Amino acid sequence: SSELTQDPAVSVALGQTVRITCQGDSLRNYYTSWFQQKPGQAPLLVNFGKNNRPSGIPGRFSGSSSGNTASLTITGAQAEDEADYYCYSRDRSEKGVFGGGTKLTVL
Amino acid sequence: QVQLQQWGARLLKPSETLSLICTVHDESFTSYQWTWIRQPPGTGLQWIGEVYHGAGARYSPSLQSRVTISMDTSSNQFSLRLRSVTDADTAVYYCARGRYCSGNRCNVRDFDYWGQGALVTVSS
Repeated sequence: SSELTQDPAVSVALGQTVRITCQGDSLRNYYTSWFQQKPGQAPLLVNFGKNNRPSGIPGRFSGSSSGNTASLTITGAQAEDEADYYCYSRDRSEKGVFGGGTKLTVL
Repeated sequence: QVQLQQWGARLLKPSETLSLICTVHDESFTSYQWTWIRQPPGTGLQWIGEVYHGAGARYSPSLQSRVTISMDTSSNQFSLRLRSVTDADTAVYYCARGRYCSGNRCNVRDFDYWGQGALVTVSS
């Protein structure tokens, strides 16, 4: 299957830790990238590969993977982290595929 | 500083052809995969396809029969053409820089730079 499955919505209390997951068969063989998208903005790369962060992304964003599940963990969530989060990877044909997105609410 | 600027018609009628161009300000244009991504209103991101100087183009299976992505290395531009559009093609279309490649080996840093996005509406 080329699909990536994410929970539609997740909430976290301010300052607490939240894990956003992405499941798919192809994740056993390909790395996952994670994007944050706020309303009216283009997505922003926050984690890629084997837990790499682009310059300017806070250290509270970390990525991990096990089997067919990839995770983005936000340790000490801040109000500005409230956004939609998308995972992205490749399928067996080396074509790109996004997860359906997770809406994160910071309480 | 890497910049991507998008151009193209924003209002189409059903059955027409969507055409967008992305102009890239990047000295290493031929070393990256260049990608089109879209987002229908209120929904998630969809990978349309990519082009790379060293390997040609790849497309989403759901759009493959209607889409062409090409690149012009003389002008640092890549383009999207989507034929026979319907209401379902209404979306914000983004161009984005994909992975850095050397020959047929690429890194895993996806979409670190994006165009500003263009809302394309298909309506009769």
